[in-house]
Amino acid sequence: NAGVMQNPRHLVRRRGQEARLRCSPMKGHSHVYWYRQLPEEGLKFMVYLQKENIIDESGMPKERFSAEFPKEGPSILRIQQVVRGDSAAYFCASSPLKARDDSTQYFGPGTRLLVL
Amino acid sequence: GQQVMQIPQYQHVQEGEDFTTYCNSSTTLSNIQWYKQRPGGHPVFLIQLVKSGEVKKQKRLTFQFGEAKKNSSLHITATQTTDVGTYFCAGRNTGGFKTIFGAGTRLFVKA
Repeated sequence: NAGVMQNPRHLVRRRGQEARLRCSPMKGHSHVYWYRQLPEEGLKFMVYLQKENIIDESGMPKERFSAEFPKEGPSILRIQQVVRGDSAAYFCASSPLKARDDSTQYFGPGTRLLVL
Repeated sequence: GQQVMQIPQYQHVQEGEDFTTYCNSSTTLSNIQWYKQRPGGHPVFLIQLVKSGEVKKQKRLTFQFGEAKKNSSLHITATQTTDVGTYFCAGRNTGGFKTIFGAGTRLFVKA
């Protein structure tokens, strides 16, 4: 049973380019969360999605960031016109149950984004 | 908004010494979870506490959830070098969607 998969594991972008981060949840999981982690810091919630729905995006910056979880395929976190401050590790987590049902989150290995 | 504070930020111990990290929430939590992240790795779920005053043990690790469901602690007895990493608590408000992570306590163990 494969765990949560994220790709790419490492991504280098120049300022102004776009970054696309992908997350495939564990089999049978339909709830996905995205977190950002700056070096030596904790995990900051960004967005919670179910298939075809954004449930809570209160942690997402208002501009340049977007997320989706289509009916088919992985969840995508998209960062447009990246800036150096976007450099961080982005983790995806999935769970089988609704967030309100006290469900454990299983984390992927993360994507380390470096903006030059 | 809800805040989850975790102390200490760093802890250096000699192998064999005990270690404790504390977590405090500004609001009452429906549950609290603990994760461990090794250097360069990703968070790995350790345990979830749900009931007021709950205490759970995993070998040398003891987890507690406060009576008011606003604080929690993780205690490691007789640390080993394999315990090195950052320990995060994560709490969710009653009826909320978001899981709010503490900043983590980074544990260093000297052999």
